[in-house]
Amino acid sequence: QSALTQPRSVSGSRGQSVTISCTGTSGDVGKFNYVTWYQQQPGKAPKFIIYDVSERPSGVPYRYSGSKSGNTASLTISGLQAEDEGDYYCSSYAGSYIWAFGGGTKLTVV
Amino acid sequence: EVKLVNSGGSVVRPGGSLRLSCEVSGFDFNDYGMIWVRQPPGKGLEWVSGINWMSETRGYAESVKGRFRISRDNAKNFLYLQMNSLRVDDTAMYYCVRVIVGGYSCDYWGQGTLVTVSS
Repeated sequence: QSALTQPRSVSGSRGQSVTISCTGTSGDVGKFNYVTWYQQQPGKAPKFIIYDVSERPSGVPYRYSGSKSGNTASLTISGLQAEDEGDYYCSSYAGSYIWAFGGGTKLTVV
Repeated sequence: EVKLVNSGGSVVRPGGSLRLSCEVSGFDFNDYGMIWVRQPPGKGLEWVSGINWMSETRGYAESVKGRFRISRDNAKNFLYLQMNSLRVDDTAMYYCVRVIVGGYSCDYWGQGTLVTVSS
């Protein structure tokens, strides 16, 4: 069971786009379309913002989108706003009722 | 409204035991798998354990295998995590999380309960 790899931090200006990558293996991200992305604000529980690689729950802005290519999933946030700042995590199902999580990425909006 | 309420966290000595609970409401608990995820202070998320809707299938992270046991009571709408032989590095906020029905992505989270293992 290995953790998924995410960049430790990314930053972008208001109005720009950023992409956060999440790299796993052929046994998790590459095998299953069950990648979820979460946003965590300080002192709060994570909140899911993308599931099944690219599906957006109701209430999540269209600015958030997800994709996958091979063993790497990506979260793109377009039209960055100040309230997008926070920590972002990915997770992937890995079979046999096992999951893997990424180490987290801190997003700064400058 | 989907709600998951964590409880049971406490300060415990190394080698001690603790049982965490997660009470759910607002959805049919019988239909959903559940997982536990933890977050050490100032660090990232780590998957701990998972259980399918009928308790037929359970998974554990290597770091807790043989020490933790996940269970559920569908009649009472509760998920549990029995933690034995606790170590200092088990110190973390523990969250219960729902698995989306029909798949293996995860959606709603409890508010978390803090476990501190310290002598």
